[in-house]
Amino acid sequence: QVHLVESGGGVVQPGRSLRLSCAASGFTFSSYGMHWVRQTPGKGLEWVAVIWYDGSNEYYADSVKGRFTISRDNSKNTLYLQMNSLRAEDTAVYYCARALAVGGIGVDYWGQGILVTVSS
Amino acid sequence: DIVMTQTPLSSPVTLGQPASISCRSSQSLVHTDGNTYLSWLQQRPGQPPRLLIYKISNRFSGVPDRFSGSGAGTDFTLKISRVEAEDVGIYYCTQATQFPYTFGQGTKLEI
Repeated sequence: QVHLVESGGGVVQPGRSLRLSCAASGFTFSSYGMHWVRQTPGKGLEWVAVIWYDGSNEYYADSVKGRFTISRDNSKNTLYLQMNSLRAEDTAVYYCARALAVGGIGVDYWGQGILVTVSS
Repeated sequence: DIVMTQTPLSSPVTLGQPASISCRSSQSLVHTDGNTYLSWLQQRPGQPPRLLIYKISNRFSGVPDRFSGSGAGTDFTLKISRVEAEDVGIYYCTQATQFPYTFGQGTKLEI
């Protein structure tokens, strides 16, 4: 079955960087677009970024554009999120999610999530 | 960005009775390809979101048939025909018609 496992979260100071990873299994990773979505108690669910199945295209939320970079290594079945210049408002649980198998627009499976806390 | 507005934000329900959640988008969710990319998610306490319904009314794999979705354009509804205890959680509508994908505020279903 589809399995997505995030790692790399933790506590980081404002202005510093962090890289999240998402290990995928149970499906042909290289055939699916992948997303990052974050969740906070205050702002709810917020879509962060998407990368095409082959890495040829990326889109970002305005709130992270220029600071975050989504990437993937299809040989390792792994999705990444490089987060630079972190701010307190980036504190959230970050989920990786797979693009919907039917048509590719939307998401279907979600990982368990990883907490990122930005604090001095 | 498309704003998704859910009502109610909290819904006390009785086991075995029906429940309904509404979602309205700030603009039409009809994609240029003719499809409407409106989905419903369920988030049980301590769990990640789980896809229930996609493209307005299609139940995802393993989702019980007591869940159904309907609507068109800007107005959508999730219905649970007979609420069970395991249905407790927060329900979100979400649109994928255009980037950025956006989500409703969530509706808390409480027994």
